[in-house]
Amino acid sequence: GQQLNQSPQSMFIQEGEDVSMNCTSSSIFNTWLWYKQDPGEGPVLLIALYKAGELTSNGRLTAQFGITRKDSFLNISASIPSDVGIYFCAGSTQGGSEKLVFGKGTKLTVNP
Amino acid sequence: NAGVMQNPRHLVRRRGQEARLRCSPMKGHSHVYWYRQLPEEGLKFMVYLQKENIIDESGMPKERFSAEFPKEGPSILRIQQVVRGDSAAYFCASSPVWKPRGRDTQYFGPGTRLTVL
Repeated sequence: GQQLNQSPQSMFIQEGEDVSMNCTSSSIFNTWLWYKQDPGEGPVLLIALYKAGELTSNGRLTAQFGITRKDSFLNISASIPSDVGIYFCAGSTQGGSEKLVFGKGTKLTVNP
Repeated sequence: NAGVMQNPRHLVRRRGQEARLRCSPMKGHSHVYWYRQLPEEGLKFMVYLQKENIIDESGMPKERFSAEFPKEGPSILRIQQVVRGDSAAYFCASSPVWKPRGRDTQYFGPGTRLTVL
């Protein structure tokens, strides 16, 4: 089945540093989504990408949909303690209105 | 504007019992998806439903699991004769009826944590 390879698995950074994480796939996706999950909660949508090459920002977060449609990255600038959590990429082969395939997550720890 | 609601948040069952998990989609959403998450893992798709219809159940185990989304009321994920391996977090997501073509997304509920003793 389809798989997403998300890296790194975990990151330990100092407050104020920038963060970058990415997802790659062996197959093409038409939608890439980035979610954040806090312990004991459900994933919260951060950014949605629908077009190859698209670069979208949400505050300190920026994500891009790779030109090949097989990868995406998420950057967080000037990290703060509340950025702590697990970040998941997810892809779908249609417009998001079908099953999402998830990466295994990047666990982010921010030291104040 | 309430988000996706799931209940119960935590459910404990003994082996062999039945588990019923409920999901109410966001207002205006008529597409519901169920996902399962094991510890330290990403979410895995189980089933996609619209009102009174199962659209895609390719991720559902063939036995003991069933899902429905009736005309009235919440969507239900039912697990019969639970086993320890069913212990996981189960998440429901919903998406809207009308959306710009190719620009849909899914919004998740807080999940139900099932523990099988």
